[in-house]
Amino acid sequence: NAGVTQTPKFQVLKTGQSMTLQCAQDMNHEYMSWYRQDPGMGLRLIHYSVGAGITDQGEVPNGYNVSRSTTEDFPLRLLSAAPSQTSVYFCASRLVGGSGANVLTFGAGSRLTVL
Amino acid sequence: AQTVTQSQPEMSVQEAETVTLSCTYDTSESDYYLFWYKQPPSRQMILVIRQEAYKQQNATENRFSVNFQKAAKSFSLKISDSQLGDAAMYFCAYRSTGTASKLTFGTGTRLQVTL
Repeated sequence: NAGVTQTPKFQVLKTGQSMTLQCAQDMNHEYMSWYRQDPGMGLRLIHYSVGAGITDQGEVPNGYNVSRSTTEDFPLRLLSAAPSQTSVYFCASRLVGGSGANVLTFGAGSRLTVL
Repeated sequence: AQTVTQSQPEMSVQEAETVTLSCTYDTSESDYYLFWYKQPPSRQMILVIRQEAYKQQNATENRFSVNFQKAAKSFSLKISDSQLGDAAMYFCAYRSTGTASKLTFGTGTRLQVTL
């Protein structure tokens, strides 16, 4: 299994440009999410989804859009990139339900720089 | 809202020695999950250990163990027989039991392992 696959791994944008970070998982996980990691701030939740057609905002959603048309894919869109969006982005997924602490599985991360 | 606090930005341990990383959290819930993740320089997020709050027994995974003090809302990670490969950022994280519950991270502790 590939697990959680994120592309691209690195991207440089100019202020005002748009782009999409791709995320795909092959584990049939219902829950998918996007986090950003900034120095000294840990990981903060941007958006999440509990299934196809269902998305919701996390702590820091401004400037980002998501959609969930299939169980496997959860792309993150930056509509008009700003330098404040320079960060490392992680996609993560997990199962929903069951009796245990379903673990969040992370992608390898995408480093985005906005000039 | 739940918060997770890691009060040690950096720690250092000698190879083969034992080190304990601290984590406290704030919640009003009685059932929840706690996790420690490791992030090496590759930036991949790797699960180290998990604890379910309803279980009184402390979780153990090989050289890694936790001291879970529910009343004190404390969840420390002990690494025994430290190895050079343990050098990484360590994040403590909390999640409630709901379907859409998010993983809330602390700000991390950078562990250095010296010879």
